[in-house]
Amino acid sequence: NAGVTQTPKFQVLKTGQSMTLQCAQDMNHNSMYWYRQDPGMGLRLIYYSASEGTTDKGEVPNGYNVSRLNKREFSLRLESAAPSQTSVYFCASSEGTADQPQHFGDGTRLSIL
Amino acid sequence: SQQGEEDPQALSIQEGENATMNCSYKTSINNLQWYRQNSGRGLVHLILIRSNEREKHSGRLRVTLDTSKKSSSLLITASRAADTASYFCATDMWGSGGSNYKLTFGKGTLLTVNP
Repeated sequence: NAGVTQTPKFQVLKTGQSMTLQCAQDMNHNSMYWYRQDPGMGLRLIYYSASEGTTDKGEVPNGYNVSRLNKREFSLRLESAAPSQTSVYFCASSEGTADQPQHFGDGTRLSIL
Repeated sequence: SQQGEEDPQALSIQEGENATMNCSYKTSINNLQWYRQNSGRGLVHLILIRSNEREKHSGRLRVTLDTSKKSSSLLITASRAADTASYFCATDMWGSGGSNYKLTFGKGTLLTVNP
């Protein structure tokens, strides 16, 4: 049982390049989330999907787009990467509302030069 | 903006000692969760305490919640080197009408347990 799988694990981009971070969960969870983690800032929510077919902005959505491809997969896209988006990105899933535990992937470490 | 704030930012203890971490938050909540993060890994859920609960136990973990002070504490008893990790509290927000899906995480406490 893999849980939450994120790809790639590491990526280096140049400013202005685009890329998509992939996330898949095999727990049949309804809700999925994208966070970024920066030193001294904790985790900040970028976007979330409460259920298949819906997406909503979190605390720091600017510069990102998301797609809930199906119940299993939730991708995060950087259209034109900026150095300020250098961070560790975590995907998480949960059964539903915020009284359920979230299950995290091991992150994508993204550097933008 | 951060809802939860952990204290201390860092804590270093010897194996066998108890470790206490605190979390303060700003607005009323439905529940509060604690997570652990080992270096280079994702967060792992430890325990959830609801706003109508005052104390909860899970193995060597004890969590308390004081809604009047808007604070929670996580106690790890008889710590082990393997407990070395960052610990985060996370809160939802009260009054979301059952449609609240978001958690807000604090900045974490880095616990180091020395052998």
